[in-house]
Amino acid sequence: GAGVSQSPRYKVAKRGQDVALRCDPISGHVSLFWYQQALGQGPEFLTYFQNEAQLDKSGLPSDRFFAERPEGSVSTLKIQRTQQEDSAVYLCASSLRQGRDQPQHFGDGTRLSIL
Amino acid sequence: AQSVTQLDSQVPVFEEAPVELRCNYSSSVSVYLFWYVQYPNQGLQLLLKYLSGSTLVESINGFEAEFNKSQTSFHLRKPSVHISDTAEYFCAVSRNTGFQKLVFGTGTRLLVSP
Repeated sequence: GAGVSQSPRYKVAKRGQDVALRCDPISGHVSLFWYQQALGQGPEFLTYFQNEAQLDKSGLPSDRFFAERPEGSVSTLKIQRTQQEDSAVYLCASSLRQGRDQPQHFGDGTRLSIL
Repeated sequence: AQSVTQLDSQVPVFEEAPVELRCNYSSSVSVYLFWYVQYPNQGLQLLLKYLSGSTLVESINGFEAEFNKSQTSFHLRKPSVHISDTAEYFCAVSRNTGFQKLVFGTGTRLLVSP
């Protein structure tokens, strides 16, 4: 694939359910970012991976949020016991490597709605 | 920490008119600056970026932005807009060391009408 792929594109869940959101970065990209975009807002940083190492998770809003990238490629963002305030678009971005000349390429996002 | 302010939530403009979307930032360290565009139901696309050097940066589709350190601004301009420029525009900053975590503004919706 040419770009960052996210699945599912849309997810509806009942409050209290667990959800898992998948990100397939561009092949060979070392850096991977997750952002949360609430309605009418700009994206906000959640977490960052360099290969399989999660180097920054300071943006995760609570311990219900968990992200992993076990083999340094595909990443999964998991939200446990979802709440209505978790409703947002979750964006994944990847870049070839860390560095000033490496732009972040974004996927189309997963729109999560919690009922 | 860094922050970004986009004062205009929406900017209506007629086709072929000029436009300026404002962006101001705050940071205690040196930063990189970016403009991203988001079309409905899509992710963000990088429009242009300032890393260093010339303070005026241009994109391939006619947009330009000027970094003004004294005013901590990075306003986006286009001399003549098209209907297809209708989208949400986000200004973002990142520190210029370590990994480039992006801090975004709240966005400006550009509405171009005929």
